[in-house]
Amino acid sequence: GIQVEQSPPDLILQEGANSTLRCNFSDSVNNLQWFHQNPWGQLINLFYIPSGTKQNGRLSATTVATERYSLLYISSSQTTDSGVYFCAVRRAGANNLFFGTGTRLTVIP
Amino acid sequence: NAGVTQTPKFQVLKTGQSMTLQCAQDMNHEYMSWYRQDPGMGLRLIHYSVGAGITDQGEVPNGYNVSRSTTEDFPLRLLSAAPSQTSVYFCASSYDRGRNSPLHFGNGTRLTVT
Repeated sequence: GIQVEQSPPDLILQEGANSTLRCNFSDSVNNLQWFHQNPWGQLINLFYIPSGTKQNGRLSATTVATERYSLLYISSSQTTDSGVYFCAVRRAGANNLFFGTGTRLTVIP
Repeated sequence: NAGVTQTPKFQVLKTGQSMTLQCAQDMNHEYMSWYRQDPGMGLRLIHYSVGAGITDQGEVPNGYNVSRSTTEDFPLRLLSAAPSQTSVYFCASSYDRGRNSPLHFGNGTRLTVT
């Protein structure tokens, strides 16, 4: 299957700091999504972003499909941003999303 | 709007027992899927369905069965539970067979097999 690598695996930030999370993938994709898993285990869809740039409040994401990577930006981080961020991709012609192993973010007050 | 509903939230089984994890969605989504989440391994696809009457295997299907008799429901059956099936199970759905729409998750079922 397609390989999905996320970096860094762990990140600790002071509240108010900015961060960039990266997702690299090994093949052409036509579907890429970012998810946040909160400390209670709930998985929330942040972005559907197979290409281009999207913004939602303090979060934004950019996917450069031709170079096989996506970036998730978190600005002015808050303690509620803590949790694990997952990238998931679908190869063109396939049925399913493959997930990376996530970036665990801890925001300290 | 309930979204994706999973039951139960927690379950403890003994080795060899069987059970069914329930999943229902009220968004008229065509695509439904089951993932398991284990520490350090992200989410791995067990089975999926692109519509009523259609199911297929994912990455880790062994030991699990599914059926899709209606658009709304997609139960996951463990035929003979094993300790290796201790995990958190997530059901997810999306609108157009998942190709061009976001995936929505239920809140998960934490299963322990002793």
